[in-house]
Amino acid sequence: DAGVIQSPRHEVTEMGQEVTLRCKPISGHDYLFWYRQTMMRGLELLIYFNNNVPIDDSGMPEDRFSAKMPNASFSTLKIQPSEPRDSAVYFCASSLPGVNEQYFGPGTRLTVT
Amino acid sequence: KQEVTQIPAALSVPEGENLVLNCSFTDSAIYNLQWFRQDPGKGLTSLLLIQSSQREQTSGRLNASLDKSSGRSTLYIAASQPGDSATYLCAVKSPSEGQNFVFGPGTRLSVLP
Repeated sequence: DAGVIQSPRHEVTEMGQEVTLRCKPISGHDYLFWYRQTMMRGLELLIYFNNNVPIDDSGMPEDRFSAKMPNASFSTLKIQPSEPRDSAVYFCASSLPGVNEQYFGPGTRLTVT
Repeated sequence: KQEVTQIPAALSVPEGENLVLNCSFTDSAIYNLQWFRQDPGKGLTSLLLIQSSQREQTSGRLNASLDKSSGRSTLYIAASQPGDSATYLCAVKSPSEGQNFVFGPGTRLSVLP
């Protein structure tokens, strides 16, 4: 398997624009996680899905953030409108349930100017 | 609510030294604990996964131990090399957090040649 795939790897956008980040989990993994990493706050869980259903979105910072998982092989994280404070690295990860480990994608580095 | 801390926040050692990184967690009811490595500007690479029923796991020069009752894990790196320089994060998966991993803030390791 190619591992968790994220796109784009880098995104630079202006404040107020819509940003869409994409993730393809490892095939067969039924849990998908979105994280945000900043120097100030470290690695924060935003939302996670089980079998395409959002289970816990308590980490989503505000209504400008939304995430979807239309099928088992694709998820999006959307920010609309984007703000400079959204600048961070966004990671997607996937896993099997229970005692299994988590696998991370390479991340998307987002810069909002 | 599970909380994970790591000590020290940063560590600098000369090449060849053996070293120990520490991870503590507040809720001892866990599924497993995972150690990750993160190089600057890169994603997270899984190093070792210790299940709740295990005491330690080894991979090459790395050895991770788990003392669930005291809420502690250590990552031992033998004969450190400059290539080991990275940030090391531990993450705990516990029933109280669903299928989510709770991450520590990381230890930034520098191995000097």
